[in-house]
Amino acid sequence: QVQLVESGGGLVKPGGSLRLSCEASGFTFTDYYMSWIRHGPGRGLECVSYISSSGSNIYYADSVKGRFTVSRDNAKNSIYLQMNSLRAEDTALYYCARDKAPYWYGTGKIAEYGMDVWGQGTAVSVSS
Amino acid sequence: QSVLTQPPSVSAAPGQKVSISCSGSSSNIGSNYVSWYQHLPGTAPKLLIFDNERRPSGIPDRFSGSKSDTSATLGIAGLQTGDEADYYCGTWDTSLRIYVFGSGTRVTVL
Repeated sequence: QVQLVESGGGLVKPGGSLRLSCEASGFTFTDYYMSWIRHGPGRGLECVSYISSSGSNIYYADSVKGRFTVSRDNAKNSIYLQMNSLRAEDTALYYCARDKAPYWYGTGKIAEYGMDVWGQGTAVSVSS
Repeated sequence: QSVLTQPPSVSAAPGQKVSISCSGSSSNIGSNYVSWYQHLPGTAPKLLIFDNERRPSGIPDRFSGSKSDTSATLGIAGLQTGDEADYYCGTWDTSLRIYVFGSGTRVTVL
């Protein structure tokens, strides 16, 4: 079945680094844009990074620009989030999500159909 | 601070209807499609509405969506206790060049 499984979360000190992974299965991975979305304590959902199906187009939220790097390995059906210079406000449950429609479907507008497949999340805690 | 504004909470009795507003601007809602998500903290969010008003398969027609100019609305009719959750609107922001979510609305069934 269609599935996303995140891993790599943990407890890290401020200024430290973590690398999150998301492995996909059950669909043609190379057809889909993917995103990392987080939910921090007492906060709303925030999309921190978005990557095109080929990996050639990458987008970041201002809150993580310059500190986080997203990548994908289509041979391994996986995306990654390298998080550096971590801050307390990066503490959150990090979800990997898939666009509902493949890149070649629809009018061509980014994220036109939203995200319909989500992982269960991996928890990141930044604390001294 | 979210660029999409939602009311913090709405509530109604079982069987009643609630509406949740999502206010944005020309760079997000005004020029892109809106989706709505249901989220129970600690679990995976669920897509309820896409393309402003369309429902994925398996989502009951009690859930409805609409959009006008720079605002969108989610309606939940025939409210059930199982509908208690946080609800978020989401869309692409052409200026920020990232997907943005609303501030979130907690739905309480009285």
